[in-house]
Amino acid sequence: EAQVTQNPRYLITVTGKKLTVTCSQNMNHEYMSWYRQDPGLGLRQIYYSMNVEVTDKGDVPEGYKVSRKEKRNFPLILESPSPNQTSLYFCASSLHLAGVVEQYFGPGTRLTVT
Amino acid sequence: AQSVTQLDSHVSVSEGTPVLLRCNYSSSYSPSLFWYVQHPNKGLQLLLKYTSAATLVKGINGFEAEFKKSETSFHLTKPSAHMSDAAEYFCVVSAGGYNKLIFGAGTRLAVHP
Repeated sequence: EAQVTQNPRYLITVTGKKLTVTCSQNMNHEYMSWYRQDPGLGLRQIYYSMNVEVTDKGDVPEGYKVSRKEKRNFPLILESPSPNQTSLYFCASSLHLAGVVEQYFGPGTRLTVT
Repeated sequence: AQSVTQLDSHVSVSEGTPVLLRCNYSSSYSPSLFWYVQHPNKGLQLLLKYTSAATLVKGINGFEAEFKKSETSFHLTKPSAHMSDAAEYFCVVSAGGYNKLIFGAGTRLAVHP
């Protein structure tokens, strides 16, 4: 089954404790992206990657890191989480083509930073 | 620059009545537009997409959207609401480049018996 998986689905942590949220897709997509969802703001892009070893900042990159060492994986790293990073996070992937391309979303990771 | 405005944060309808979720967009390019749905505690699912072909786009579960360039709108409709339609709906514009998506703030649809 074609899918995007994220782990963990739920995470409660404390300020300053480094964490990683994993994202994996099995569709051989070049493009992958991370979003955060906050009430009343919709989804905002954190980072994206157009292919292996190619990453770039989205609209809200502060406090986050990513890496793309393999095509299928795109982990999101919070080196020193803070309470304002409490949010619902989504990973997405798609083919890297000009024009209209559907993005496939993972199930989400709900992060709480205390 | 691209932007999306969903005109209602909450919409409440009775089961069996029509649904209208309103979306206006702004785009410097010929836009690509999408509607995604998010059911409680679920990820996002694509309902439909506009690809500069037919202006009336049919999606899954009986939803439709009409692209109106003169009004810069892409409203989502359904003739008859079902209880299972209760969810949050996002209008999305593709921001000119290859894959960047700009999301509206969302409209929460409630369906009452």
